[in-house]
Order: sequence, then C-alpha cells, then structure tokens
Amino acid sequence: DQQVKQNSPSLSVQEGRISILNCDYTNSMFDYFLWYKKYPAEGPTFLISISSIKDKNEDGRFTVFLNKSAKHLSLHIVPSQPGDSAVYFCAASENTGGFKTIFGAGTRLFVKA
Amino acid sequence: DSGVTQTPKHLITATGQRVTLRCSPRSGDLSVYWYQQSLDQGLQFLIQYYNGEERAKGNILERFSAQQFPDLHSELNLSSLELGDSALYFCASSVGSGGVYNEQFFGPGTRLTVL
Repeated sequence: DQQVKQNSPSLSVQEGRISILNCDYTNSMFDYFLWYKKYPAEGPTFLISISSIKDKNEDGRFTVFLNKSAKHLSLHIVPSQPGDSAVYFCAASENTGGFKTIFGAGTRLFVKA
Repeated sequence: DSGVTQTPKHLITATGQRVTLRCSPRSGDLSVYWYQQSLDQGLQFLIQYYNGEERAKGNILERFSAQQFPDLHSELNLSSLELGDSALYFCASSVGSGGVYNEQFFGPGTRLTVL
C-alpha cells in the first residue's frame, strides 16, 4: 500500500530551466510534507517542508506547492543547476503522537549543463 | 555532515545471525527514527523513539527491535537474519516529535549484507 507515490522514476532538465518533481498521496490525515535530496552513498538531506495549512512554501530556488483537494504536492527548482542532480524523495507525516514518516520511491533528477 | 553518526558503516553476516546497529543523534535532538532502504526502493519507516519512549511504529518485523537509551543514542537489533534483510539502514534524528520539529537529519547509513 503506497501511501506516497512519486510516479516519475527520473527527470532530465537543462541547466537554467525549471525542474518540477511531483508527488501524490492517499492518506488525508497527513499533515506535514517534506522533500529530501539524496546523493549516492550519503543519507538524505532535508530540503524544504510544508504544513497542510499552507499551499506554498519557498526557500531560495526551491518552492513546494500543496494541493490538498488533489492530494498532490510538487517541488519546483528554479533555476536548475548541475549540482541539483540527485534523487529527490517526497515524504509525508501524520501526527499520531509520534511522527510516522512515509517516503515515496524517489525521482532521479539529471540536470544537464 | 548532519551530526548523526551510525556504526558500523558496513556489516556482513550470515543468515540466522543477529546484529546490532548503533546511532547517535545530533546534539540536542530527542527523537530518533530508523529506516530501511532495500535495493532500488524508497525508505521504509521502521520506528521512532522520543526521549527514550517508542512514539511511532511502521512495518517493523517482529525479528527487529530497537531502543533508545538515557544518553539518547539508539540501537536497532536485527535477529534471525534472512537474505532479504540485506539493505541500507538509516537513522535520523530531530529536535522534537513532529510538526515544525519534524525536520529529520539523517546519518550516513549502515549497509547490511546477509550472505
């Protein structure tokens, strides 16, 4: 039962253009969403998050959009840089007293110079 | 460097054996999370501890157990190991137990190989 889905295993973008990574979820009780970036042989690194009470959060080149009615979130990277090439994971949490965090399968982003 | 340390970095063992993975959270973080990443798969949430108490549980097998000690380090014990347990095991820590404090900082992982 995949509660968090990243349907695109990979994405290739030209340097300077926008990268859009998508994520869908099924559990309407999720109230906090996060994006992580992962390089090979390293642990994931936190990028940006958004609470379910918001629909947009920006941090520099990274913007996350949340559409609760569609149970969809996306990460926009503008402008994309070659150093952004990595695997991006979408994650969602539900406050059940603790925070069980469900990760998507990841999308590998290639930014071409 | 996230400030989360995991030991050992690599572990090779045989089926049926038992291993212990260790995690030290970032200074000041009270929550520790354990994840399993099998080949070509996303991270599977196993369990969360907050200040020594179990707070959330994922699809953690009965053969697996974890604890968080008074000094806040955590150990994940895997027993009766099977070939399918071969994976990267990540530990993460956060200040609190969720919400705006749910930014989790990940360690470099322990690669477990079961032969």
